[in-house]
Amino acid sequence: QQPVQSPQAVILREGEDAVINCSSSKALYSVHWYRQKHGEAPVFLMILLKGGEQKGHEKISASFNEKKQQSSLYLTASQLSYSGTYFCGTESSYNTDKLIFGTGTRLQVFP
Amino acid sequence: EAGVAQSPRYKIIEKRQSVAFWCNPISGHATLYWYQQILGQGPKLLIQFQNNGVVDDSQLPKDRFSAERLKGVDSTLKIQPAKLEDSAVYLCASSPGTASSYNEQFFGPGTRLTVL
Repeated sequence: QQPVQSPQAVILREGEDAVINCSSSKALYSVHWYRQKHGEAPVFLMILLKGGEQKGHEKISASFNEKKQQSSLYLTASQLSYSGTYFCGTESSYNTDKLIFGTGTRLQVFP
Repeated sequence: EAGVAQSPRYKIIEKRQSVAFWCNPISGHATLYWYQQILGQGPKLLIQFQNNGVVDDSQLPKDRFSAERLKGVDSTLKIQPAKLEDSAVYLCASSPGTASSYNEQFFGPGTRLTVL
């Protein structure tokens, strides 16, 4: 079952923060985050594993709440380069090795 | 390090015609994926190979789609015959390991297919 992302779209000014959520109806083993710019291939951001710690690099971090079967991506002090569509990919505890991508969240950052 | 290569980048065909896409993964990557991405949606897994073997093809419409991975390296995805609803970007990705949990996927630029 495809994970649901919220919000569907976000518009920000440079320097503002955003949170993107990813929810699944199934117990999760891992959550993967990718960013896709218009007309380009998805690019990997990070993987969060069950029982693992919150991850992040620079001003992008993520958390994984196993009990709620949710993950959140945090974008701090957004930059123009953050614009794109963010996808979470979830791996079920019952069917590992199969990544199912979410519905996507479109993020636009303006100067 | 060279990335995942795909060709062609664009293809326009009429319904009921056949089409083939080619993917060359990053050298040494064990796992290869084909995804279908319809405009405005997330990538949908069509087939996953681990070396030569198929790991998952549960969402591949086998009456019209076929895929193979030659000698555990290059792969081709074929559609025969194409339908209007096959219009999408077909993405190929590869990853170095065999477990999705621990390995990022590297995506190619994709092939944009338009079926008229």
